[in-house]
Amino acid sequence: QKEVEQNSGPLSVPEGAIASLNCTYSDRVSQSFFWYRQYSGKSPELIMSIYSNGDKEDGRFTAQLNKASQYVSLLIRDSQPSDSATYLCAVNRFGANNLFFGTGTRLTVIP
Amino acid sequence: EAQVTQNPRYLITVTGKKLTVTCSQNMNHEYMSWYRQDPGLGLRQIYYSMNVEVTDKGDVPEGYKVSRKEKRNFPLILESPSPNQTSLYFCASSLGTPGTGQETQYFGPGTRLLVL
Repeated sequence: QKEVEQNSGPLSVPEGAIASLNCTYSDRVSQSFFWYRQYSGKSPELIMSIYSNGDKEDGRFTAQLNKASQYVSLLIRDSQPSDSATYLCAVNRFGANNLFFGTGTRLTVIP
Repeated sequence: EAQVTQNPRYLITVTGKKLTVTCSQNMNHEYMSWYRQDPGLGLRQIYYSMNVEVTDKGDVPEGYKVSRKEKRNFPLILESPSPNQTSLYFCASSLGTPGTGQETQYFGPGTRLLVL
């Protein structure tokens, strides 16, 4: 079983819609969760981090964490064509000195 | 400007010819890491370093070496490259180790390696 699993997509949404990206993780003692965005041919950049159960909002982005279900999601409101990218979920397990990345979900926002 | 730099950005080499990819950060970060990214496999960690002279294996360390003699530099060494090491490589750094709350990783621009 992979540490972090994501649906590879592609996920297509119309401009202005809400894009919902999902990630599950296998280790119950995971403690830190991150969403990175990677444009084609570029390096990943951090969008959101979340450490506690519930929602965390930053502008058009909302991260949601449910540790009981081992599930973390990213919602993008009012999606824009510039949001078209691959979104990587990353998880840090308690006591581990590294991050585990999912394979990413490719999002396309259609104008 | 705060950044992570990697050199070279593109490299074509032949099997068995030793090579080094350099990585440098100017943010005084303690934690540095190397990843490779392959289609369908995502980002996989090769090695990481929590501070000078402290390095450890990640998920896919076979065929790679690293060193951390200075805080800012973390070179990746391929002693005898093979075609299965053809990949996109990223160096990253963060202020603290994952789990400390200071683990936001800043990535370099990537090095695309082709081993013939």
